Amino acid sequence: KQEVTQIPAALSVPEGENLVLNCSFTDSAIYNLQWFRQDPGKGLTSLLLIQSSQREQTSGRLNASLDKSSGRSTLYIAASQPGDSATYLCAVNNNDMRFGAGTRLTVKP
Amino acid sequence: NAGVTQTPKFRILKIGQSMTLQCTQDMNHNYMYWYRQDPGMGLKLIYYSVGAGITDKGEVPNGYNVSRSTTEDFPLRLELAAPSQTSVYFCASSYEGGSSGNTIYFGEGSWLTVV
Repeated sequence: KQEVTQIPAALSVPEGENLVLNCSFTDSAIYNLQWFRQDPGKGLTSLLLIQSSQREQTSGRLNASLDKSSGRSTLYIAASQPGDSATYLCAVNNNDMRFGAGTRLTVKP
Repeated sequence: NAGVTQTPKFRILKIGQSMTLQCTQDMNHNYMYWYRQDPGMGLKLIYYSVGAGITDKGEVPNGYNVSRSTTEDFPLRLELAAPSQTSVYFCASSYEGGSSGNTIYFGEGSWLTVV
């Protein structure tokens, strides 16, 4: 059974810092991995999707990497802003999508 | 283009009552999903559908039922509500299944409390 773990559960940083969020998974036979953002009281918004054959994806200040063999992915956020404050979830897809519990990020002005 | 719309946003149920969470999407997506999210936990798949007339169980289907009579609608029914069903429910849709890499779109959630 696929298990997805995200560390840390919560992170607080000052504005302008670069930061890394971690996601690990137990079954490397995945089709893809996605990173989502969830704002309080809202649904999830897809940020980046990495196919199993890819090593990384970039969108603006966000960069996601995937190391399938070691069961790890990272989400790198450059020059963090208060508007980045949200919960970030990763989800891995092998026939069905399994989510981690998320990292709650606070960026302080 | 409204995306994925869920109703109601909030609901309080008494133990043993039944209710239906409504979900509709206007993107002509084939795949639709129902997830639940408990505090501090990731989302867990309840049921999903790959097209009208086809539904299948996810990770946590017990106590729920679904139907998919049209492409647009995917209601989730709770029979005999129990406190363990207190959660936030999310409906989602995508054009194809997850293996295709299609973007998945989520509704804003339905907060359900069973007392």
